[in-house]
Amino acid sequence: DAMVIQNPRYQVTQFGKPVTLSCSQTLNHNVMYWYQQKSSQAPKLLFHYYDKDFNNEADTPDNFQSRRPNTSFCFLDIRSPGLGDTAMYLCATSGQTMNTEAFFGQGTRLTVV
Amino acid sequence: DAKTTQPPSMDCAEGRAANLPCNHSTISGNEYVYWYRQIHSQGPQYIIHGLKNNETNEMASLIITEDRKSSTLILPHATLRDTAVYYCIVRVHAGGYQKVTFGTGTKLQVIP
Repeated sequence: DAMVIQNPRYQVTQFGKPVTLSCSQTLNHNVMYWYQQKSSQAPKLLFHYYDKDFNNEADTPDNFQSRRPNTSFCFLDIRSPGLGDTAMYLCATSGQTMNTEAFFGQGTRLTVV
Repeated sequence: DAKTTQPPSMDCAEGRAANLPCNHSTISGNEYVYWYRQIHSQGPQYIIHGLKNNETNEMASLIITEDRKSSTLILPHATLRDTAVYYCIVRVHAGGYQKVTFGTGTKLQVIP
């Protein structure tokens, strides 16, 4: 059974048109992460939540926002997508102890046209 | 702020052991080493993790040096399905928990 579910798997959006990607988890984990992965690159952490506390990476563009209305759900909002935002977006969750692994969703492949 | 370095690519013959090295010279005493792999167009998959003792599970073995500054992931009998990018991760402290950030990884190609 999938434990971290991302919807949709594929998304095409127009340049400048706001888009929202969603992630849900059944693991009741405190921490949820959003990553951007461009072609042939490693995943890059955009931001993460520890419960409701939001933590932005220093180099994450302001164009990227996130919401976590409850433990199970987390959303990535791209306010005005540019062509350079075409990428795979990965959601992950983890417990707060160091001895627990992170679980990843299958990602949403976003194409900006 | 990844704390690991890995070779960018490696080849391994099918059926042979694949040994993937990772350097993490700045690791702290209570930080775990994690290994994930990512098969093309899929989400990263957890493989194994360890603190200081060697670990083994159904997928792989993890050998951590005594000084904990490096480790090796061993896939004992590589198959074509093991072709993937392998990431060695040391989770970075972020207050009361440890966030997960990726280094560049090693692209393992298993050759028939």
